[in-house]
Amino acid sequence: QVQLVESGGGVVQPGRSLRLSCAASGFPFSNYAMHWVRQAPGKGLEWVALISYDESNKYYAESVKGRFTISRDNSKNTLYLQMNSLRGEDTAVYYCARGRSGNYFPFDYWGRGTLVTVSS
Amino acid sequence: EIVLTQSPATLSLSPGERATLSCRASQSVNTYLAWYQQKPGQAPRLLIYDASNRATGTPARFSGSGSGTDFTLTVSSLEAEDFAVYYCQQRSTFGPGTKVDI
Repeated sequence: QVQLVESGGGVVQPGRSLRLSCAASGFPFSNYAMHWVRQAPGKGLEWVALISYDESNKYYAESVKGRFTISRDNSKNTLYLQMNSLRGEDTAVYYCARGRSGNYFPFDYWGRGTLVTVSS
Repeated sequence: EIVLTQSPATLSLSPGERATLSCRASQSVNTYLAWYQQKPGQAPRLLIYDASNRATGTPARFSGSGSGTDFTLTVSSLEAEDFAVYYCQQRSTFGPGTKVDI
């Protein structure tokens, strides 16, 4: 069955960096676009970034552009999110999600999320 | 940029009742709209894609309709496990959500 498992979250000081990982299994990872979506405590969903199946296309929300980098390693079935210059407003649960049927949108499978807390 | 508005913000109903949730887009999105359900402490779950197609595993009591700018998610008869927050989505934009509670 499809599984997405995020890791790498934790408490980090403002201005520092963190890298999240998402290990995928149960499907041909290299055939699917992948996303990061976040949810601040008690708030709604915010799309963060998208990467195409072959890494040729990457898109970012304006709120993270220039600070976050999405990447993937298809040989390891793993998605990454490098987060630099972190701010308090980046505090959220970060989910990885799969684009449905090879399309970019919508998202048919989600991981359980990893919590990132940006605080001094 | 497309803005999605959901109404009502909260819907208070009883098991067995019909729930009707609305999502309105600031400009036409054709039928490129999805609905998700999220329960506390869980990841969102895709219910409906392309406005009216049930995702794998979505019970038949859930139905979606609409096109252009106005969309509806209907739960024909609420069950206990349906009390949750529901989000609509158009590509990279999510609506603010509707909470369905008892």
